Amino acid sequence: AQSVTQPDIHITVSEGASLELRCNYSYGATPYLFWYVQSPGQGLQLLLKYFSGDTLVQGIKGFEAEFKRSQSSFNLRKPSVHWSDAAEYFCAVGGGSQGNLIFGKGTKLSVKP
Amino acid sequence: GAVVSQHPSRVICKSGTSVKIECRSLDFQATTMFWYRQFPKQSLMLMATSNEGSKATYEQGVEKDKFLINHASLTLSTLTVTSAHPEDSSFYICSAREVGGAGQPQHFGDGTRLSIL
Repeated sequence: AQSVTQPDIHITVSEGASLELRCNYSYGATPYLFWYVQSPGQGLQLLLKYFSGDTLVQGIKGFEAEFKRSQSSFNLRKPSVHWSDAAEYFCAVGGGSQGNLIFGKGTKLSVKP
Repeated sequence: GAVVSQHPSRVICKSGTSVKIECRSLDFQATTMFWYRQFPKQSLMLMATSNEGSKATYEQGVEKDKFLINHASLTLSTLTVTSAHPEDSSFYICSAREVGGAGQPQHFGDGTRLSIL
């Protein structure tokens, strides 16, 4: 069955510290992979996506993610976190004829001064 | 680019009322739009997939007569919650996928907070 696992429900990092949010997926074919960010009471904003090619993808707001097929992972990273990065982060895998997305349960990021 | 507008952002109404939520892609065409429901502190649950000019495809357990979806144009899809009850209170989010196939990303609206009294 297709699934996305985000093992960390809540992560707290200090401002300026590096960040890595984990995402593992289970998918029968080559997946399309996405990271979205959600601020409280709002919709989701696309941070980055992986379709094919270079396994290290760059996104907006200084985020990047690396696709590792052997580990079925697509971890999100940022070298230096800003207070404004505090939000909920969702990893998603897409595919099929309709391109439906399957979301992980999300990781809440808190940033301490 | 790729802006999705969802309206209204918040609705408070009495039980038994029908509520219509609009989802518009403002600067791109979307043959496929999606409707999600999100419970507090949880992930998004796909309710239905809406293709322009055809009937929506509902996920298992979602009542199609309860949640009416219309996708009449390449830029507009609507979700109508009919005869809403308190258990329908939730955060509803739409998304629109750019033309170009299943691999194109979905762009999300800002959601609608529905509260049924």
